[in-house]
Amino acid sequence: DGGITQSPKYLFRKEGQNVTLSCEQNLNHDAMYWYRQDPGQGLRLIYYSQIVNDFQKGDIAEGYSVSREKKESFPLTVTSAQKNPTAFYLCASSIVGRAPGFGEGSWLTVV
Amino acid sequence: GESVGLHLPTLSVQEGDNSIINCAYSNSASDYFIWYKQESGKGPQFIIDIRSNMDKRQGQRVTVLLNKTVKHLSLQIAATQPGDSAVYFCAERSKAAGNKLTFGGGTRVLVKP
Repeated sequence: DGGITQSPKYLFRKEGQNVTLSCEQNLNHDAMYWYRQDPGQGLRLIYYSQIVNDFQKGDIAEGYSVSREKKESFPLTVTSAQKNPTAFYLCASSIVGRAPGFGEGSWLTVV
Repeated sequence: GESVGLHLPTLSVQEGDNSIINCAYSNSASDYFIWYKQESGKGPQFIIDIRSNMDKRQGQRVTVLLNKTVKHLSLQIAATQPGDSAVYFCAERSKAAGNKLTFGGGTRVLVKP
C-alpha cells in the first residue's frame, strides 16, 4: 500500500542489540498493527494500536515494544530479550473496523 | 485459543480453470473476514472481505463464501491467471477479542500454463 512506509527494508542486528523498525502512514488511519512472518508461515500479531497513546499486546509481544505518540507513526523495537528475531516484519494500518492495508515489510536478520 | 486454519497448503490449478481456497475458523464470535494475496517478499494485498451478516460477496473474478454454521470460509477465483500465483491468507476479526486480526497459515496457489 503506497500510503504505508516501512524502513529500513533490510536490517541486521548483532546479538544483544535493540533495533527499531519504522512504520509511517499518511492515510489518517487510527488503527496500526505489527505482524511477524517466518519463512513459509502465516502472520502473527505482535502489537496493535487503535488510537494514539494506546496499544495492546498481540499473540507474540514478548521481546518487542512499541509506542504510538503520533497518529501516523508506530515504531517497533525488537529488544535483546527477543531470542529469535530473524523474520519478515509487516506493518499495517486501517480505519477501525476495516481491512488493514500493509506496507512492503522489513527483513531483520541476526548476525 | 481461537485459530484460523486452512485445509490445503498448496493448490495447483490449470490456467483458465477456477480455483477454490478453503479456510476454517474456530471463533464463533468472529464477525469480519478478509482474504489477502501475498507475493514473494511483499506485503499482503487485500482481495475481498465479508461481514458475518452476509454469506456471499463478489468482486472482480473473486467470490467469498461464508458458512457460519460450520465456520468455513472460501475464496473462489474465476478463470485463474498466471498472475494469481501467490500465497493466499484468510484472516478473521472478533470485536469481542478487541478487534484483533488473526491470520491463517496460508495456501500457495500455483497456476500451470
